[in-house]
Amino acid sequence: GDSVTQMEGPVTLSEEAFLTINCTYTATGYPSLFWYVQYPGEGLQLLLKATKADDKGSNKGFEATYRKETTSFHLEKGSVQVSDSAVYFCALSVNTDKLIFGTGTRLQVFP
Amino acid sequence: DVKVTQSSRYLVKRTGEKVFLECVQDMDHENMFWYRQDPGLGLRLIYFSYDVKMKEKGDIPEGYSVSREKKERFSLILESASTNQTSMYLCASSKIQQGRRVYEQYFGPGTRLTVT
Repeated sequence: GDSVTQMEGPVTLSEEAFLTINCTYTATGYPSLFWYVQYPGEGLQLLLKATKADDKGSNKGFEATYRKETTSFHLEKGSVQVSDSAVYFCALSVNTDKLIFGTGTRLQVFP
Repeated sequence: DVKVTQSSRYLVKRTGEKVFLECVQDMDHENMFWYRQDPGLGLRLIYFSYDVKMKEKGDIPEGYSVSREKKERFSLILESASTNQTSMYLCASSKIQQGRRVYEQYFGPGTRLTVT
């Protein structure tokens, strides 16, 4: 079945470091891909999305490119801040309103 | 500002009790979802509703039921709570898919349920 695999965390970085969180997927059709973020004590909120191959989603300095050839949607940010500390979830949907989520990756950024 | 609210942030119940978790959205969304979130397992879909009185089982419906009598309200019911239902429960809503376009889900803050 369709699935999402994320790198295990926690990812621990110093402020201004470069961030990559890996996400790969398996899907029977042509999925839409999403990154959601969960800040401490809150629900999830959409960070960015891409709906077709080679699309790049971006928001708040984060980027991810839909790579069909490698079935990947890695999240990147050039310079992280302490306020980026959160749990990041990669997700997909294939012709449905339902999302399939990865297990989440906790990011901890220290000053 | 769009909003999904959940009735409680923290809840403690005893084994065997009937538990109701309520979710309300103010965005006139057709879809509503209940997930549980557990460490190392991510979010797993319990139930999904795409219209009033319509529901669809998710990946882990056993031990749960749902009710959607009004468009804005979606309730999750634990008929007889058990300790393995101790978890974080998240409600979400979204507009219904149009063509290939899938709309983002908006989440509530979650209810942390402890069953003792």
